Amino acid sequence: DAKTTQPPSMDCAEGRAANLPCNHSTISGNEYVYWYRQIHSQGPQYIIHGLKNNETNEMASLIITEDRKSSTLILPHATLRDTAVYYCIVRSNTGKLIFGQGTTLQVKP
Amino acid sequence: DTEVTQTPKHLVMGMTNKKSLKCEQHMGHRAMYWYKQKAKKPPELMFVYSYEKLSINESVPSRFSPECPNSSLLNLHLHALQPEDSALYLCASSQDQVLQGFNEKLFFGSGTQLSVL
Repeated sequence: DAKTTQPPSMDCAEGRAANLPCNHSTISGNEYVYWYRQIHSQGPQYIIHGLKNNETNEMASLIITEDRKSSTLILPHATLRDTAVYYCIVRSNTGKLIFGQGTTLQVKP
Repeated sequence: DTEVTQTPKHLVMGMTNKKSLKCEQHMGHRAMYWYKQKAKKPPELMFVYSYEKLSINESVPSRFSPECPNSSLLNLHLHALQPEDSALYLCASSQDQVLQGFNEKLFFGSGTQLSVL
C-alpha cells in the first residue's frame, strides 16, 4: 500500500488560502489520491479525490504533480470552521483506505 | 439521505461484558467498514464487508466479531475487551468496494466512543 507523508501541523490566517502538501512517491498508476478531514470528535469527512488531473469542487481544489508523486490540497478561503486534521490517503489496489498521520490545520483569526 | 448512523454514541463496559455497536446506512451502499481510532491517532482499518461478505480482516483479535445481517446494517460484537480497546469506533460505507479504479468515496458515521473499565 502506498504511504503518504504530510507535515504534522500548519497555520493559516482566516480568509487566506490554505495549501496542504502531501508526498506519495510510491503511488501506483491506478491508485487514487483522496483527502479527508476530521473535526474533533467527529467522523472523517470526504473532501476531494483525483487520479492524474487537477480537481475542484465546492470545498477545495486538488493539484497533483505530473509524476503523481505529490499533491496539494487548496482551501481557497479558509475559515475558522476549517480547523481540523487533514488526511491525504492513497487508496490501495485492494480497495483499502489507509490513513496516514495527517496535518493538523489551525486557522487563526 | 447521505448519513451513516452509529449507535450508541457513547458506551462504557466492563471487561466481562458483552455489547454490540450498530451502524446503519440507507444509501444503497454495498461495502461497509469498521475503523478503530485511538486518541490523537489516525483511524485504523479493522474490517471490510463487500456485498454482505467479510472481505478484509486486518488481523483483528477475536474478541471483536463483525456481522453484516443485510446490506444496510453492520454490527460489531464485543466480548472480553481490554482497557486498551478503549477508542472511537467508526463505521463507514461506500458504493462498492471492488469498483474498478476505486474511484469512490467513503461516508463515515460520527462513531461510538467506547470506554472499557
